[in-house]
Amino acid sequence: SAVISQKPSRDICQRGTSLTIQCQVDSQVTMMFWYRQQPGQSLTLIATANQGSEATYESGFVIDKFPISRPNLTFSTLTVSNMSPEDSSIYLCSADPGQEVYGYTFGSGTRLTVV
Amino acid sequence: GQQLNQSPQSMFIQEGEDVSMNCTSSSIFNTWLWYKQDPGEGPVLLIALYKAGELTSNGRLTAQFGITRKDSFLNISASIPSDVGIYFCAGQLGDMRFGAGTRLTVKP
Repeated sequence: SAVISQKPSRDICQRGTSLTIQCQVDSQVTMMFWYRQQPGQSLTLIATANQGSEATYESGFVIDKFPISRPNLTFSTLTVSNMSPEDSSIYLCSADPGQEVYGYTFGSGTRLTVV
Repeated sequence: GQQLNQSPQSMFIQEGEDVSMNCTSSSIFNTWLWYKQDPGEGPVLLIALYKAGELTSNGRLTAQFGITRKDSFLNISASIPSDVGIYFCAGQLGDMRFGAGTRLTVKP
């Protein structure tokens, strides 16, 4: 199955700044996704990153706050813009390998703390 | 949107005991999946279920896809300390939605 390298693994950022999280997959995948996991909580889908087109955002998430890039079939970035302490969370990227084995592969996550 | 209700929220068990957790939904899913998340890591897929009624095992883990396609359970037999972690159910119908997780603690 696909292996995802996600970075940074953690960061502490000042409010009002932006952070870009990168995910690199070791094989070409059609679909990539970005999730947020608040402390002790489940995973909430932020958006689906589509190669060659704009990302599709879930209710409650907007492009201005979470711009996403998907320049090719192995790479995606998520930017958390104009951060506030409420953005402190774990951000996870995942990929749908689109093969017989269902289920997504996840990166190890980015633990973001906004101070 | 699709809501998954996962229970129990947490479990404290003795090593060697069996564990059971389940998920229910008001919506139908095409695929049910069970993931485990260790601290500081992303979720790792344990078992995937593709057909209603399907019962699948992976070592000490057994999971079933409910006949209504709206529920699933995961059993862990003879628990060991490394089973500690958070277990998430997930339903897939296009994209994937996650339950709230079951935090498992295993006492040696």
